[in-house]
Amino acid sequence: DAGVIQSPRHEVTEMGQEVTLRCKPISGHNSLFWYRQTMMRGLELLIYFNNNVPIDDSGMPEDRFSAKMPNASFSTLKIQPSEPRDSAVYFCASSFQGGKQYFGPGTRLTVT
Amino acid sequence: GEDVEQSLFLSVREGDSSVINCTYTDSSSTYLYWYKQEPGAGLQLLTYIFSNMDMKQDQRLTVLLNKKDKHLSLRIADTQTGDSAIYFCAEIFTGRRALTFGSGTRLQVQP
Repeated sequence: DAGVIQSPRHEVTEMGQEVTLRCKPISGHNSLFWYRQTMMRGLELLIYFNNNVPIDDSGMPEDRFSAKMPNASFSTLKIQPSEPRDSAVYFCASSFQGGKQYFGPGTRLTVT
Repeated sequence: GEDVEQSLFLSVREGDSSVINCTYTDSSSTYLYWYKQEPGAGLQLLTYIFSNMDMKQDQRLTVLLNKKDKHLSLRIADTQTGDSAIYFCAEIFTGRRALTFGSGTRLQVQP
Protein backbone atom coordinates (compact mmCIF):
# COMPACT_ATOMS: atom_id res chain seq x y z
CA ASP A 1 0.00 0.00 0.00
CA ALA A 2 1.19 3.52 -0.77
CA GLY A 3 0.28 4.81 2.66
CA VAL A 4 -1.53 8.07 3.28
CA ILE A 5 -0.97 10.50 0.42
CA GLN A 6 -1.06 14.25 0.86
CA SER A 7 -0.73 17.05 -1.63
CA PRO A 8 0.80 19.46 -2.07
CA ARG A 9 3.88 18.81 0.07
CA HIS A 10 4.67 22.49 0.26
CA GLU A 11 2.42 25.48 -0.25
CA VAL A 12 3.40 29.13 -0.14
CA THR A 13 0.62 31.65 -0.51
CA GLU A 14 -0.19 35.24 0.26
CA MET A 15 -2.47 36.35 3.03
CA GLY A 16 -6.09 36.37 1.92
CA GLN A 17 -5.75 33.61 -0.65
CA GLU A 18 -7.66 30.34 -0.53
CA VAL A 19 -5.66 27.23 0.25
CA THR A 20 -6.80 23.65 -0.34
CA LEU A 21 -4.97 20.67 1.13
CA ARG A 22 -5.71 17.17 -0.08
CA CYS A 23 -5.53 13.73 1.44
CA LYS A 24 -5.99 10.18 0.23
CA PRO A 25 -6.28 7.72 3.13
CA ILE A 26 -5.06 4.15 3.12
CA SER A 27 -7.47 1.95 1.18
CA GLY A 28 -9.91 0.22 3.50
CA HIS A 29 -9.48 2.67 6.37
CA ASN A 30 -12.73 4.26 7.51
CA SER A 31 -11.47 6.98 9.87
CA LEU A 32 -9.62 10.06 8.67
CA PHE A 33 -7.99 12.74 10.80
CA TRP A 34 -6.56 16.19 10.10
CA TYR A 35 -3.90 17.41 12.53
CA ARG A 36 -1.87 20.59 12.61
CA GLN A 37 1.67 20.94 13.96
CA THR A 38 3.13 24.25 15.10
CA MET A 39 6.03 25.14 17.34
CA MET A 40 3.74 26.90 19.78
CA ARG A 41 0.94 24.37 20.08
CA GLY A 42 2.54 21.10 19.00
CA LEU A 43 0.31 18.51 17.33
CA GLU A 44 -3.39 19.13 17.64
CA LEU A 45 -6.48 17.62 16.09
CA LEU A 46 -8.48 19.79 13.73
CA ILE A 47 -11.23 17.40 12.67
CA TYR A 48 -11.91 13.75 12.13
CA PHE A 49 -14.29 11.76 9.96
CA ASN A 50 -15.71 8.31 10.46
CA ASN A 51 -17.23 6.64 7.40
CA ASN A 52 -17.00 10.01 5.59
CA VAL A 53 -19.04 11.79 8.26
CA PRO A 54 -17.45 14.57 10.37
CA ILE A 55 -17.53 13.41 14.00
CA ASP A 56 -15.43 15.91 15.92
CA ASP A 57 -14.58 19.32 14.50
CA SER A 58 -13.95 21.00 17.84
CA GLY A 59 -10.36 21.66 16.86
CA MET A 60 -11.18 23.66 13.74
CA PRO A 61 -9.88 27.14 14.58
CA GLU A 62 -12.65 29.23 13.09
CA ASP A 63 -15.01 29.60 10.18
CA ARG A 64 -12.14 30.20 7.80
CA PHE A 65 -11.38 26.48 8.02
CA SER A 66 -13.57 23.82 6.41
CA ALA A 67 -13.09 20.14 5.66
CA LYS A 68 -14.91 17.70 3.46
CA MET A 69 -14.80 14.01 2.74
CA PRO A 70 -16.92 13.37 -0.35
CA ASN A 71 -15.96 9.70 -0.52
CA ALA A 72 -13.90 7.10 1.30
CA SER A 73 -10.74 7.83 -0.65
CA PHE A 74 -10.50 11.60 -0.59
CA SER A 75 -10.63 14.51 1.83
CA THR A 76 -9.87 18.21 1.60
CA LEU A 77 -9.04 20.88 4.16
CA LYS A 78 -9.70 24.39 2.96
CA ILE A 79 -8.62 27.70 4.45
CA GLN A 80 -10.32 30.83 3.13
CA PRO A 81 -9.03 33.46 3.58
CA SER A 82 -5.61 32.34 4.77
CA GLU A 83 -3.66 34.29 7.39
CA PRO A 84 0.03 34.21 8.42
CA ARG A 85 -0.90 32.51 11.71
CA ASP A 86 -2.17 29.53 9.69
CA SER A 87 1.42 28.72 8.74
CA ALA A 88 2.05 25.19 10.00
CA VAL A 89 2.48 21.61 8.90
CA TYR A 90 -0.86 19.92 8.28
CA PHE A 91 -1.02 16.16 8.63
CA CYS A 92 -3.64 13.74 7.49
CA ALA A 93 -3.91 10.33 9.17
CA SER A 94 -6.16 7.34 8.67
CA SER A 95 -7.12 4.27 10.64
CA PHE A 96 -9.44 1.29 10.52
CA GLN A 97 -12.19 1.23 13.12
CA GLY A 98 -10.38 3.65 15.40
CA GLY A 99 -7.22 1.56 15.55
CA LYS A 100 -3.63 2.50 14.83
CA GLN A 101 -3.33 5.80 12.97
CA TYR A 102 -0.97 6.11 10.04
CA PHE A 103 0.18 9.54 9.02
CA GLY A 104 0.89 11.12 5.68
CA PRO A 105 4.06 13.12 5.01
CA GLY A 106 2.30 16.41 5.73
CA THR A 107 1.80 19.68 3.88
CA ARG A 108 4.01 22.55 4.96
CA LEU A 109 1.95 25.72 4.56
CA THR A 110 3.53 29.16 4.60
CA VAL A 111 1.27 32.19 4.44
CA THR A 112 3.10 35.48 3.82
CA GLY B 1 -8.06 17.65 31.95
CA GLU B 2 -6.55 15.71 29.11
CA ASP B 3 -2.78 16.03 29.11
CA VAL B 4 0.28 14.13 27.98
CA GLU B 5 3.68 15.39 29.12
CA GLN B 6 7.22 14.63 28.02
CA SER B 7 10.65 16.02 28.68
CA LEU B 8 11.90 18.09 25.77
CA PHE B 9 15.40 16.85 25.15
CA LEU B 10 17.63 13.81 25.60
CA SER B 11 21.22 13.36 24.51
CA VAL B 12 22.98 9.99 24.48
CA ARG B 13 26.10 8.47 22.98
CA GLU B 14 25.90 5.98 20.16
CA GLY B 15 25.62 2.46 21.52
CA ASP B 16 24.07 3.53 24.82
CA SER B 17 20.44 2.94 25.76
CA SER B 18 17.95 5.79 25.54
CA VAL B 19 14.93 6.09 27.79
CA ILE B 20 12.20 8.53 26.85
CA ASN B 21 9.52 9.17 29.44
CA CYS B 22 5.89 10.26 29.26
CA THR B 23 3.15 10.89 31.79
CA TYR B 24 -0.53 11.01 31.01
CA THR B 25 -3.74 11.84 32.82
CA ASP B 26 -6.44 9.53 31.45
CA SER B 27 -6.06 6.15 33.11
CA SER B 28 -8.94 4.61 31.15
CA SER B 29 -7.32 4.82 27.74
CA THR B 30 -7.02 1.53 25.90
CA TYR B 31 -3.85 2.02 23.87
CA LEU B 32 -0.80 4.22 24.19
CA TYR B 33 1.48 4.91 21.26
CA TRP B 34 4.97 6.03 20.39
CA TYR B 35 5.60 7.92 17.16
CA LYS B 36 8.91 9.01 15.63
CA GLN B 37 9.34 12.16 13.55
CA GLU B 38 12.51 12.79 11.59
CA PRO B 39 13.30 16.31 10.35
CA GLY B 40 10.88 17.44 7.66
CA ALA B 41 9.02 14.15 7.71
CA GLY B 42 5.71 12.79 8.89
CA LEU B 43 5.02 10.73 11.97
CA GLN B 44 6.01 7.10 11.91
CA LEU B 45 4.18 4.72 14.22
CA LEU B 46 6.94 2.98 16.17
CA THR B 47 5.10 0.84 18.63
CA TYR B 48 2.11 0.76 20.94
CA ILE B 49 1.03 -0.95 24.11
CA PHE B 50 -2.35 -2.17 25.26
CA SER B 51 -3.35 -0.81 28.63
CA ASN B 52 -3.56 -4.23 30.28
CA MET B 53 0.10 -4.89 29.55
CA ASP B 54 3.10 -3.83 31.61
CA MET B 55 5.74 -4.30 28.98
CA LYS B 56 6.12 -4.83 25.29
CA GLN B 57 9.36 -5.57 23.46
CA ASP B 58 9.92 -5.16 19.76
CA GLN B 59 13.53 -5.68 18.65
CA ARG B 60 15.51 -2.76 20.09
CA LEU B 61 12.40 -1.08 21.50
CA THR B 62 10.93 -1.77 24.93
CA VAL B 63 7.79 -0.04 26.15
CA LEU B 64 7.03 0.01 29.85
CA LEU B 65 3.66 1.02 31.24
CA ASN B 66 3.01 1.85 34.88
CA LYS B 67 -0.72 2.41 35.11
CA LYS B 68 -0.64 3.26 38.80
CA ASP B 69 1.69 6.18 38.20
CA LYS B 70 0.30 6.89 34.69
CA HIS B 71 3.82 6.65 33.34
CA LEU B 72 4.92 5.36 29.96
CA SER B 73 8.48 4.92 28.76
CA LEU B 74 10.26 3.95 25.59
CA ARG B 75 13.68 2.35 25.82
CA ILE B 76 15.85 2.14 22.73
CA ALA B 77 18.71 -0.31 23.09
CA ASP B 78 22.02 0.22 21.28
CA THR B 79 21.00 3.69 20.13
CA GLN B 80 22.23 4.60 16.65
CA THR B 81 22.70 7.98 14.96
CA GLY B 82 19.72 7.09 12.77
CA ASP B 83 17.58 7.12 15.90
CA SER B 84 18.05 10.88 16.19
CA ALA B 85 14.55 12.32 15.87
CA ILE B 86 11.64 13.65 17.90
CA TYR B 87 9.65 11.01 19.74
CA PHE B 88 6.02 11.58 20.64
CA CYS B 89 3.91 9.62 23.04
CA ALA B 90 0.21 9.72 22.31
CA GLU B 91 -2.97 8.53 23.87
CA ILE B 92 -6.56 8.20 22.81
CA PHE B 93 -8.64 9.62 25.62
CA THR B 94 -11.92 8.10 26.70
CA GLY B 95 -14.76 8.96 24.37
CA ARG B 96 -12.52 10.17 21.57
CA ARG B 97 -10.84 8.58 18.58
CA ALA B 98 -8.25 11.26 17.92
CA LEU B 99 -4.77 11.11 19.39
CA THR B 100 -3.61 13.53 22.05
CA PHE B 101 0.13 14.01 21.73
CA GLY B 102 2.82 14.98 24.13
CA SER B 103 5.12 17.84 23.23
CA GLY B 104 7.75 15.47 21.90
CA THR B 105 11.24 14.57 23.10
CA ARG B 106 14.13 15.44 20.84
CA LEU B 107 16.68 12.61 20.96
CA GLN B 108 20.19 13.55 19.93
CA VAL B 109 22.64 10.70 19.42
CA GLN B 110 26.28 11.66 19.55
CA PRO B 111 28.79 9.51 17.66
